[in-house]
Amino acid sequence: DQQVKQNSPSLSVQEGRISILNCDYTNSMFDYFLWYKKYPAEGPTFLISISSIKDKNEDGRFTVFLNKSAKHLSLHIVPSQPGDSAVYFCAASLNRDNYGQNFVFGPGTRLSVLP
Amino acid sequence: DGGITQSPKYLFRKEGQNVTLSCEQNLNHDAMYWYRQDPGQGLRLIYYSQIVNDFQKGDIAEGYSVSREKKESFPLTVTSAQKNPTAFYLCASSYLVYNEQFFGPGTRLTVL
Repeated sequence: DQQVKQNSPSLSVQEGRISILNCDYTNSMFDYFLWYKKYPAEGPTFLISISSIKDKNEDGRFTVFLNKSAKHLSLHIVPSQPGDSAVYFCAASLNRDNYGQNFVFGPGTRLSVLP
Repeated sequence: DGGITQSPKYLFRKEGQNVTLSCEQNLNHDAMYWYRQDPGQGLRLIYYSQIVNDFQKGDIAEGYSVSREKKESFPLTVTSAQKNPTAFYLCASSYLVYNEQFFGPGTRLTVL
């Protein structure tokens, strides 16, 4: 059973408009969340993160919102650009043992920004 | 330039053969990780290592083995015991806990 879900496998948005990517999780013990962006045949690159003590984090055009009670987070991209077209992975961290944090990834959402 | 390298980018092997995927980082990161990506699924953790000479199984370690003899290197061996080895394999590293992981470019393994 997936602990981190991204229920939309794909999303298409017009250039200049807002892109909203959603992520839901089931484990209330997750306390740190990240978004990664991945282009084809490349490794994911870190985009933005949020700790469970916050409900919002902004970095330029990217904003992540966290709703702990709903176990939901979202990534907003404003304005969307064609270069944003990629697969976006949501990831959550769970304290697995005394060694530290490891991440559980969602299945990804493919964003297409249309010119 | 600092970063993570994985080689080769594409790898083909015959069924029943072991194969080792390389992962090297010069970021001075303590922790390194191996993930597998299959179509329609998120990245799944195979093995991780927080320090040299120590590593732990992830969610799907069966059929895989690793070593961490040097801080910079974390090779993954896909053994013949792995039932579905064809996949995209990603290596990552991180400096401290709570920091994001940095990923290599990946190796696509195809077993014929």
